[in-house]
Amino acid sequence: KAGVTQTPRYLIKTRGQQVTLSCSPISGHRSVSWYQQTPGQGLQFLFEYFSETQRNKGNFPGRFSGRQFSNSRSEMNVSTLELGDSALYLCASSLGGQDTQYFGPGTRLTVL
Amino acid sequence: EDQVTQSPEALRLQEGESSSLNCSYTVSGLRGLFWYRQDPGKGPEFLFTLYSAGEEKEKERLKATLTKKESFLHITAPKPEDSATYLCAVQDYGGSQGNLIFGKGTKLSVKP
Repeated sequence: KAGVTQTPRYLIKTRGQQVTLSCSPISGHRSVSWYQQTPGQGLQFLFEYFSETQRNKGNFPGRFSGRQFSNSRSEMNVSTLELGDSALYLCASSLGGQDTQYFGPGTRLTVL
Repeated sequence: EDQVTQSPEALRLQEGESSSLNCSYTVSGLRGLFWYRQDPGKGPEFLFTLYSAGEEKEKERLKATLTKKESFLHITAPKPEDSATYLCAVQDYGGSQGNLIFGKGTKLSVKP
């Protein structure tokens, strides 16, 4: 079974721009969660989608948003990028959200 | 508030020198405790899920145990390829679905 895939793997943007990241979950998994990983804060939860609905959201500003499609693929968007948004963005999928989450390789975002 | 604390932050071992990593947690109701391994620049790789105190799981040189307040990851006769950051995460019954609370991790280095 193919694992979680994320595209692109690397991105370089400048302040003020916006970015869209994509995540394809493991086949059959309906829950997709997004996390931000930085050296200082570690892994922090952004939001979780299940059946195209956002079920849960972490403590991040409204510049961070996401959506999920009918095939369970998910995208996250960050608008008006700031230098502090530079991080590894990780997507994880699970069957229903309450069980083991499997992570993708991440998208490394650098904001200049 | 849910909290996860991992110790030590870093651990250097000689090949074959067994040791343990600690994960202390505070949650209102534990749904599950998860161990992941993360190599530099990659997404976390799932190792174990533990659900109740007294539970133990093993995989090759790794063994995870769980009590009501902490979990241990025991590494027996480690090899250089075991070098990685080991992450502990909890999911709370009272918390929202899809939300894992992570510790900052223990960076393990195994020297030949």
